[in-house]
Amino acid sequence: EVQLLESGGGLVQPGGSLRLSCAASGFTFTSYAMSWVRQAPGKGLEWVSTIKGNNGATYYADSVKGRFTFSRDNSKNTLYLQMDTLRAEDTATYYCAKGIDSGSSTFDYWGQGTLVTVSS
Amino acid sequence: DIQLTQSPSSLSASVGDRVTITCRASQSISIYLNWYHQKPGKAPKLLIYAASRLQSGVPSRFSGSGSGTDFTLTISSLQPEDFATYYCQQSYSTPTFGQGTRLEIK
Repeated sequence: EVQLLESGGGLVQPGGSLRLSCAASGFTFTSYAMSWVRQAPGKGLEWVSTIKGNNGATYYADSVKGRFTFSRDNSKNTLYLQMDTLRAEDTATYYCAKGIDSGSSTFDYWGQGTLVTVSS
Repeated sequence: DIQLTQSPSSLSASVGDRVTITCRASQSISIYLNWYHQKPGKAPKLLIYAASRLQSGVPSRFSGSGSGTDFTLTISSLQPEDFATYYCQQSYSTPTFGQGTRLEIK
């Protein structure tokens, strides 16, 4: 059974940093693209970043480029989203999502989400 | 980025109704269009991918159609568990989502 479990959310001040984790199980981790998608309170869905399964290439939304870093630890089947220079507009629930293949941004499994609040 | 526009933004319907939601892309995306629904406090769930392919485990009352710039999601006979917010998403290029359609009980 595919499972994605996010952690690391919380309250952080503007300009601060936070690292989110996503522990994956039930599938061959490196064979699939993995992504982060966020949802501000009461708002719609916004793609944040993707890491390809085959070569580990990373892609970012313009809104987070240069501030967020997506990485993975294949030995731990865990993904990380390092978020620096956080802004109020980064406040959202962050979901980890699995692609349907190594390069896809079609998301067939999602975690339960972790809430990040950026506020002073 | 490719923009997706859903209509309507909200919809009231009754159990047993047939419902259609549309999604229009700002440029052609072939069939790289997916549909999700999301219930309050829960993660989105994939319903339809590649415009018309039913995700495993999703009831057959859900169907999708379209290509290019115009797409539809149809629920043939609404069930109580279908009341949720529906999103389209394109996977043709940098992923983007529609603004959502809130489906409410009449």
